Amino acid sequence: DGGITQSPKYLFRKEGQNVTLSCEQNLNHDAMYWYRQDPGQGLRLIYYSQIVNDFQKGDIAEGYSVSREKKESFPLTVTSAQKNPTAFYLCASSVLGTAGELFFGEGSRLTVL
Amino acid sequence: KNEVEQSPQNLTAQEGEFITINCSYSVGISALHWLQQHPGGGIVSLFMLSSGKKKHGRLIATINIQEKHSSLHITASHPRDSAVYICAVRYGGSQGNLIFGKGTKLSVKP
Repeated sequence: DGGITQSPKYLFRKEGQNVTLSCEQNLNHDAMYWYRQDPGQGLRLIYYSQIVNDFQKGDIAEGYSVSREKKESFPLTVTSAQKNPTAFYLCASSVLGTAGELFFGEGSRLTVL
Repeated sequence: KNEVEQSPQNLTAQEGEFITINCSYSVGISALHWLQQHPGGGIVSLFMLSSGKKKHGRLIATINIQEKHSSLHITASHPRDSAVYICAVRYGGSQGNLIFGKGTKLSVKP
């Protein structure tokens, strides 16, 4: 079955450490996204990518980095520069254009100790 | 500022009741999404619409472009419908132009 796989589901990190969240899709989608969800707030865009080896910053990109070396994969690194990294992170994908349905992964919950 | 407002924020219903969740937005859009977030956190797309009405099982979504308003209806609600329902709108030409509402938390009691 096609879908998006995120890992790990839960992750604990000490302050000052970088962590990488994995996102893999087998839907053959060109567009991939990373969102952050905090209690009481709507999803906020961190980064998105429309094609391999290219990506754009979203509204809250500071302290995060991404890569898109393969169409199927869009990993997110939460760096030590991110001041408040504890959150729920969601990866999504869609076909290009504005008429594409969104497909989401199950999310990764990051807790900084 | 581009915003998406959902109402109510929280909704408790008895099994079998008809439920309506509302979404209002402030910009011209190309599409509106209704999403369902399960207690575990995963999100499923329910509808994507740009005009009119769509129906899938007990769920119905409508949109009024002139009034910048959409509704999600659930008929004959069931405890398994308990989830957070999120409205999101796509605007402009950029792939990243998607604004999410804060969600409506629905609890259906047996």
